Amino acid sequence: AQSVTQLDSQVPVFEEAPVELRCNYSSSVSVYLFWYVQYPNQGLQLLLKYLSGSTLVKGINGFEAEFNKSQTSFHLRKPSVHISDTAEYFCAVSELDTGRRALTFGSGTRLQVQP
Amino acid sequence: DGGITQSPKYLFRKEGQNVTLSCEQNLNHDAMYWYRQDPGQGLRLIYYSQIVNDFQKGDIAEGYSVSREKKESFPLTVTSAQKNPTAFYLCASTATGNQPQHFGDGTRLSIL
Repeated sequence: AQSVTQLDSQVPVFEEAPVELRCNYSSSVSVYLFWYVQYPNQGLQLLLKYLSGSTLVKGINGFEAEFNKSQTSFHLRKPSVHISDTAEYFCAVSELDTGRRALTFGSGTRLQVQP
Repeated sequence: DGGITQSPKYLFRKEGQNVTLSCEQNLNHDAMYWYRQDPGQGLRLIYYSQIVNDFQKGDIAEGYSVSREKKESFPLTVTSAQKNPTAFYLCASTATGNQPQHFGDGTRLSIL
């Protein structure tokens, strides 16, 4: 069975500093990988996705992530954060070639951007 | 605009009562999903449906039921058998292939 580990439950960072949110996954088959952002009392919004091709994926709001198959990681990065980036971020995987297409989520990382 | 509508936004349940959460989508998506979110945890899959009149249990289906009579609608019933229903419930949908899931804005269920 697949699983997702987000190593940091909270990440405090100052405005305009760079940030990396870590995500590792475990699966016996190939996967699709996603990062979602959630603002308080709202649903999830897709930041970016890795399906195939280039391992460096660019998403919305200046975020990017790099897929590393050997390390089974999909870390999310932003070179300079803003106050408005304060939110919870979820890494998720979906196994290829299964009918379910449901997502397995990590436990989330709360990004707190301080002025 | 196309999207997923969940209602109500807040819902309260009395002991021994069944409650139904609504999820409607106008994205023409085939597959729909229900997730439960608890503080400090990720989302966990309750039920999913890949086609009308068919659905499957997810990882935490006990105490819940669903129906999929129309492509656009996938209501979730939280039954009295669910002993710890207080959570944030999220509905999602996706098209065929490898398209990502779209999410509604959620329903927060609390116990009176």
